[in-house]
Amino acid sequence: NAGVTQTPKFRVLKTGQSMTLLCAQDMNHEYMYWYRQDPGMGLRLIHYSVGEGTTAKGEVPDGYNVSRLKKQNFLLGLESAAPSQTSVYFCASSYSLAQSYEQYFGPGTRLTVT
Amino acid sequence: DAKTTQPTSMDCAEGRAANLPCNHSTISGNEYVYWYRQIHSQGPQYIIHGLKNNETNEMASLIITEDRKSSTLILPHATLRDTAVYYCIVRLLSGGTALIFGKGTTLSVSS
Repeated sequence: NAGVTQTPKFRVLKTGQSMTLLCAQDMNHEYMYWYRQDPGMGLRLIHYSVGEGTTAKGEVPDGYNVSRLKKQNFLLGLESAAPSQTSVYFCASSYSLAQSYEQYFGPGTRLTVT
Repeated sequence: DAKTTQPTSMDCAEGRAANLPCNHSTISGNEYVYWYRQIHSQGPQYIIHGLKNNETNEMASLIITEDRKSSTLILPHATLRDTAVYYCIVRLLSGGTALIFGKGTTLSVSS
């Protein structure tokens, strides 16, 4: 199993450009999450999904949109990138069974907006 | 979710036990204590979790005080590869809730 993968690994955008970050998991997890991490900070939740076709806002959703058209994929979109969105973005997924709900994280996408 | 307090940084000699404390005095009865770590530039990694009993797995041990207001993560024989930021998180056992990461404890293991 590849676990959680993220595409791309690095990206540089100019202010106002748009892009989509792709997260894929092959563990048949119900739940998926997008976090961002800024220097010296912990992770903050952007959006999450509890199942195919569903999404919900997290702590810092402004400026981002998400879609979960397929169970294994969770897309994060930036419609008009801003320098404040320069960050490292992590995707995670977890089981829906009431055991541990431990989240499995991808390797991250490093985004710079100039 | 209850708030947690952790020391900013700790040092440990290679081969010795690393004991990382966490205070969570406002934890409610149905909230679990989770530990994750993040090695430089990588995604966070789950370590262990518990409710009120002490827990042990292949990576670490988790000791939760009887009143559940604090806990300690123990890495029994720290190695250089254990150098990371360790996050203590308190949350409900629910898959739809996010992990709320604070700033964690930076553990530096040296030879």
